[in-house]
Parts: sequence; C-alpha cells; structure tokens
Amino acid sequence: KNQVEQSPQSLIILEGKNCTLQCNYTVSPFSNLRWYKQDTGRGPVSLTIMTFSENTKSNGRYTATLDADTKQSSLHITASQLSDSASYICVVSAHYSSASKIIFGSGTRLSIRP
Amino acid sequence: EPEVTQTPSHQVTQMGQEVILRCVPISNHLYFYWYRQILGQKVEFLVSFYNNEISEKSEIFDDQFSVERPDGSNFTLKIRSTKLEDSAMYFCASSEDRPTGSYEQYFGPGTRLTVT
Repeated sequence: KNQVEQSPQSLIILEGKNCTLQCNYTVSPFSNLRWYKQDTGRGPVSLTIMTFSENTKSNGRYTATLDADTKQSSLHITASQLSDSASYICVVSAHYSSASKIIFGSGTRLSIRP
Repeated sequence: EPEVTQTPSHQVTQMGQEVILRCVPISNHLYFYWYRQILGQKVEFLVSFYNNEISEKSEIFDDQFSVERPDGSNFTLKIRSTKLEDSAMYFCASSEDRPTGSYEQYFGPGTRLTVT
C-alpha cells in the first residue's frame, strides 16, 4: 500500500534553533518527493522537489535529503524564524505506465517560540 | 509572480444543494488539479485534468463531482447534492507538466466549503 508517514506529528522549538523533520514512504514506483509548507488556512507552498537521482536539495534555510534505498527523506530547517511556524507536508508521487499517484503525508506542525 | 486564484474564498451551502468552485490556473500551465482537506486532516487528491479531460481521479471523486474547463482560463469543480461531509477546504493547483518529474505544482489559496 502506498503510504507516506511523517514524524514528529508536532514540534515546538525556540526561535533561532535548528530542527529536522522526517518522512518515510512506501510509495512505488517512486517518481519524486516534495516538501511543502502550509500556513494555517492557506494552500501548500512548494519548498523542494527531489527525483530519484537527487539526494539533497536546498532552498534558503531549508535543506531536504532523500535516501531512495531506505525510502526516507528529511527536511532540515536552519536558524528558525517565527514565520517558519506552519505545517510541513511530505508528498510522494508514483508513476505507472499510464497513470500517476500523488500521496500526501499528514504533516508535521512546527511551532517556533520567541 | 503568477499565481493560482480561487473563488469564492468561503462558500456556505445547504445540504443537497449544488456548488461550483472556481479556479484560474497559471496561464501557461497544462495540468490542473483539485484537492480536498477536511479540517484537521491531510490533503487528499481528488482529480487531475489535462487536455480537456480527466487524467486521474481518486476514489473520493465519485459521480457527485465533476470538473470542467468552460473557457480558456477557468477550471471548475462542481459538487452535486452536497453532504455534510463535503465540508472542507478545496484547493486548486496547476503545473506546467505532469507532477511526476520536477515540475512545480502551484496551489491556490483554497475555498472553504461549509455545508449546513
């Protein structure tokens, strides 16, 4: 069964600290993995996209890693800011011969405290 | 920067009524999507649309739902005979090409549908 599991479910850290969010997936055949940031009541905003051959991708203070062998990804946030408070969603796409599937994780709710 | 827009931002309707949610995708994009997010739950894929026809649909997207691109800019989701459990945030998204590669998928701000 195609699944995307994220941990932790929620996380609280102090402003300026770093944190790492985890994503494990069982989606196959793997096509790509995306991390999104979703502010409350808003649409998701793309942070990174990684295909099978990529094992790290950065976007400012966000760095995503991908281990396609263990089917794990992480999102590392450096020097957190209050505006980083949001849900972070891992999304994995599978591509078949004539179809594709997009599977969302449940997200990690990150709260940054001053 | 181009963006996906959605109207209305909030729609309240009575159970059994039909609603149409509207989206304007980014102009040069070819793939369009609808997603649903029930309050407190994860985003769920409903349907993708390409070349004026449905490309993919999930188990959620049953006969109660339909999509249409009535003109060159709008992309609509129609929900017939709404039920209480249809209350959710509905997101439209678009991408230049299939999301199986590295193409960015851009989401709109969402329409909050409340069925009473």
